[in-house]
Amino acid sequence: SQKIEQNSEALNIQEGKTATLTCNYTNYSPAYLQWYRQDPGRGPVFLLLIRENEKEKRKERLKVTFDTTLKQSLFHITASQPADSATYLCALTENSGYALNFGKGTSLLVTP
Amino acid sequence: DTGVSQNPRHKITKRGQNVTFRCDPISEHNRLYWYRQTLGQGPEFLTYFQNEAQLEKSRLLSDRFSAERPKGSFSTLEIQRTEQGDSAMYLCASSLMGQGNQPQHFGDGTRLSIL
Repeated sequence: SQKIEQNSEALNIQEGKTATLTCNYTNYSPAYLQWYRQDPGRGPVFLLLIRENEKEKRKERLKVTFDTTLKQSLFHITASQPADSATYLCALTENSGYALNFGKGTSLLVTP
Repeated sequence: DTGVSQNPRHKITKRGQNVTFRCDPISEHNRLYWYRQTLGQGPEFLTYFQNEAQLEKSRLLSDRFSAERPKGSFSTLEIQRTEQGDSAMYLCASSLMGQGNQPQHFGDGTRLSIL
């Protein structure tokens, strides 16, 4: 069956450190992979999109890698801040459509 | 940029009643999506429109659910004969129609509680 797995445990890190979140998938052939941030009671907010033929994408303090051999994406936040505390969702799209298939998300807590 | 707007934000109803939610997408976005999210889970895809055409429906969308986007602008999602299991956050998103995948812009959802 198809699965998208993200770190099930919450990630607690100290301000200033780099947070690394993992997204592993099974039985998907994603053409695109996206990362979203979600705050409690709010809708997801788009962060980064990476295509299957791209290895890495950066935006300010954010970096995403995409390894289609390992079937894994890593999401990094450098110089983390308490304001980065949120749930981060990984989402895949296959070639055939536009629907996003989401993981359960990983909760990140950055403490001062 | 007014963003994606959803109404109402909260809906409490008794089991068996019908409910309707509205989504106003970002004005220049051709694609509109509906998702459902329960506590501790990621959003699950329900359906999507390109302009007024409903192009894809998930198996999650039982025949009690119907969605419309009559003029290719706002959309409504109706649930008939609501059940306890319908309690969830219903999220709407919109995106541009471009080459390949485009980022989806989400509203803040309608939280449905079935008594």
